[in-house]
Amino acid sequence: GQNIDQPTEMTATEGAIVQINCTYQTSGFNGLFWYQQHAGEAPTFLSYNVLDGLEEKGRFSSFLSRSKGYSYLLLKELQMKDSASYLCAVREVTGGGNKLTFGTGTQLKVEL
Amino acid sequence: EAGVTQFPSHSVIEKGQTVTLRCDPISGHDNLYWYRRVMGKEIKFLLHFVKESKQDESGMPNNRFLAERTGGTYSTLKVQPAELEDSGVYFCASSQDRDQPQHFGDGTRLSIL
Repeated sequence: GQNIDQPTEMTATEGAIVQINCTYQTSGFNGLFWYQQHAGEAPTFLSYNVLDGLEEKGRFSSFLSRSKGYSYLLLKELQMKDSASYLCAVREVTGGGNKLTFGTGTQLKVEL
Repeated sequence: EAGVTQFPSHSVIEKGQTVTLRCDPISGHDNLYWYRRVMGKEIKFLLHFVKESKQDESGMPNNRFLAERTGGTYSTLKVQPAELEDSGVYFCASSQDRDQPQHFGDGTRLSIL
């Protein structure tokens, strides 16, 4: 089975940097994904890591340490529109298929 | 390029009735996934299609749920008969191949009364 933990909520200031952590325990690990979800909308893919290290995509970066079962999402130059739920998900290969197992999400509130 | 589309966006039915949800994946995406989120819980995997074949249906809750993908294009998820605990948001996602990120639709919000 899988167990994924991330903080329930965080608050940060516009223009600042915020780091959202995610820890996981899994079998058949095949990548860790970060999604952003605004209320009532689709989860939107942000970034993913298969190998250890940092992946940078504009204002968003994601880091992975497979030995520690740990990832983080870094958001820079925060904007009000970044207020959303951020979902950490582990991809597990299962026989012929693969599936994502999600954490409960971190609700980020960006304030002035 | 159109994203993953789901229909209907909302459905309200009574316990014991039947409901069918539809998902149109991104054109050319062979991999199609169904997930659902019940109130207060995390998004959970239901099943994975590659073209018309079910690769993994380990997440399907019980035999009241039937997913099909005839022809390997759009997919349907039928719940028959619906029970109160089936209420939640049903998401569909697709990917070009299994190593690529999954792209999600807006979901169908299902309410069982």
